[in-house]
Amino acid sequence: DAGITQSPRHKVTETGTPVTLRCHQTENHRYMYWYRQDPGHGLRLIHYSYGVKDTDKGEVSDGYSVSRSKTEDFLLTLESATSSQTSVYFCAISDSTSGLRGTDTQYFGPGTRLTVL
Amino acid sequence: AQSVAQPEDQVNVAEGNPLTVKCTYSVSGNPYLFWYVQYPNRGLQFLLKYITGDNLVKGSYGFEAEFNKSQTSFHLKKPSALVSDSALYFCAVDGRGSTLGRLYFGRGTQLTVWP
Repeated sequence: DAGITQSPRHKVTETGTPVTLRCHQTENHRYMYWYRQDPGHGLRLIHYSYGVKDTDKGEVSDGYSVSRSKTEDFLLTLESATSSQTSVYFCAISDSTSGLRGTDTQYFGPGTRLTVL
Repeated sequence: AQSVAQPEDQVNVAEGNPLTVKCTYSVSGNPYLFWYVQYPNRGLQFLLKYITGDNLVKGSYGFEAEFNKSQTSFHLKKPSALVSDSALYFCAVDGRGSTLGRLYFGRGTQLTVWP
């Protein structure tokens, strides 16, 4: 497995509370991504980062923010958790060794199961 | 717009028989296509990808996929299924345009191989 860890692995929280999920990589890859997985939807991109302090929105970014202050860490924050954010969250990493955008494989972390009551 | 369709939510096959998991795509320009597998309570594992060249791509665990441009398909295949192949399979396509390396995933196909 690629050197990706996610913490916590499981979390139960209440509606309205802030939540931060952490993705940590030891591969020194430039690109990092946050996805959520929901039944019937596959994986959907929340936010991604193409370098330290460089981030952008994905297709389901509402209610989420991210930060990347170091190459190895990518944080996902739910400012005020809602029940619709109950999901499994995956972090992924990739690098641009090929020089061709989009050709490099994304490698995924083990996931965080978040339940918002 | 880029999109991927996996028309079958579930595929069942007997051990030893060939298996096919279907994927069709819609993308502007030349597609970059990927297959991932997910075992229960695990992250996604990369199986194979098509970037350019030979239409038949070989990947991990004996899997292969055939790129068919005229049919916009990228079906995953294995000549002889194993019970241990039972898992959730995702097809994904690279989204071209302004987003770097952004993958669009299908909804997934649950493969069950029975003994």
